[in-house]
Amino acid sequence: DAKTTQPPSMDCAEGRAANLPCNHSTISGNEYVYWYRQIHSQGPQYIIHGLKNNETNEMASLIITEDRKSSTLILPHATLRDTAVYYCIVRVFIQGAQKLVFGQGTRLTINP
Amino acid sequence: NAGVTQTPKFQVLKTGQSMTLQCAQDMNHEYMSWYRQDPGMGLRLIHYSVGAGITDQGEVPNGYNVSRSTTEDFPLRLLSAAPSQTSVYFCASSYSSGPYEQYFGPGTRLTVT
Repeated sequence: DAKTTQPPSMDCAEGRAANLPCNHSTISGNEYVYWYRQIHSQGPQYIIHGLKNNETNEMASLIITEDRKSSTLILPHATLRDTAVYYCIVRVFIQGAQKLVFGQGTRLTINP
Repeated sequence: NAGVTQTPKFQVLKTGQSMTLQCAQDMNHEYMSWYRQDPGMGLRLIHYSVGAGITDQGEVPNGYNVSRSTTEDFPLRLLSAAPSQTSVYFCASSYSSGPYEQYFGPGTRLTVT
């Protein structure tokens, strides 16, 4: 699976959009980009994933560059409850195998 | 749905003791896995299972055993606990027929003295 690079920490003001970048320059054509977050000591929570196209759900938007070498997770109106560690994970989907490799992630702090 | 449940929430063991961490899911997921998370670190995969009767090793399997006799349950056994196994353990599950999201349990915080 391709390696990812994320900034170790970021700050964002409450109510503003939080844009979390992820570099995955060695991504291959059949690898998906996943985002999870971990609030305090809880279990990780799935946010969104995509292959080539931009994706949006009720939690966030995922913007993947045309060359697929980087992506951005956007939380449109950040709240204090969005303070968490955010993990960008790139992996191949192989039927039956769902292994995720977690890096260090980005610690996002939402400030009032 | 209860989702993914883990018991116990907290456990303290002495070096050399054995124990089983329980994990259950009620979503009929084929895939289940165990991760450990050490302070300040990301999660590391211990063992995983793609269905009842099938298990395989992850990144850090030494010192742990698993079995999968039913779709719902995936227990993790520590054979002889060591201080290096002090960690938070998370169980996860998902469907395996597509690039689906994984659901994680709340974790078990284990301390080995």
